[in-house]
Amino acid sequence: NAGVTQTPKFQVLKTGQSMTLQCAQDMNHEYMSWYRQDPGMGLRLIHYSVGAGITDQGEVPNGYNVSRSTTEDFPLRLLSAAPSQTSVYFCASRWGQGAGGYTFGSGTRLTVV
Amino acid sequence: GNSVTQMEGPVTLSEEAFLTINCTYTATGYPSLFWYVQYPGEGLQLLLKATKADDKGSNKGFEATYRKETTSFHLEKGSVQVSDSAVYFCALTTPPRGGSNYKLTFGKGTLLTVNP
Repeated sequence: NAGVTQTPKFQVLKTGQSMTLQCAQDMNHEYMSWYRQDPGMGLRLIHYSVGAGITDQGEVPNGYNVSRSTTEDFPLRLLSAAPSQTSVYFCASRWGQGAGGYTFGSGTRLTVV
Repeated sequence: GNSVTQMEGPVTLSEEAFLTINCTYTATGYPSLFWYVQYPGEGLQLLLKATKADDKGSNKGFEATYRKETTSFHLEKGSVQVSDSAVYFCALTTPPRGGSNYKLTFGKGTLLTVNP
């Protein structure tokens, strides 16, 4: 099925470890973004990309890196995990120009111990 | 900046009850408004949207009307079912100043539980 695919679904890291959360979409969407969801905080934008080779920071970018080498993929890297990065991470991509709707992946639940 | 305020939950209703989840917003420019739903263990799904004043978005029995004069986008359903139990998020985007980065701003979410 077409959509946004995130891997892994669950991950436990030790403080200081690094990892990459994968996100891929097969809808040829130009706009992709990463959000984190924390209890009582809603969803907050980490990084976003408006096309291959173009990325920018969102609301809470510290501790995260991104790159966009292809239209399909938008990985999120944690270089040195911290307990404050324990969260559920969602990747989303957008269809249409203007105020189009977003398609979300099913999420990655990350725990940093 | 943009912000979304929605009623805090949790909201607990009996099946067939009437549902209202309040949402108000502050935005620069002319926003488009959305309701997203998140079922347990899943990602967010677009439930409905409205892009201009007085538009009514509707889907699966849910409705919301874009009220510019009160900066509101309240979600309603006449008769809820157990399967409607989920977290509901109000969100908005506004036209960017150049570029195409229509960023979503979310409310904190409202947990709805519907009992049989």
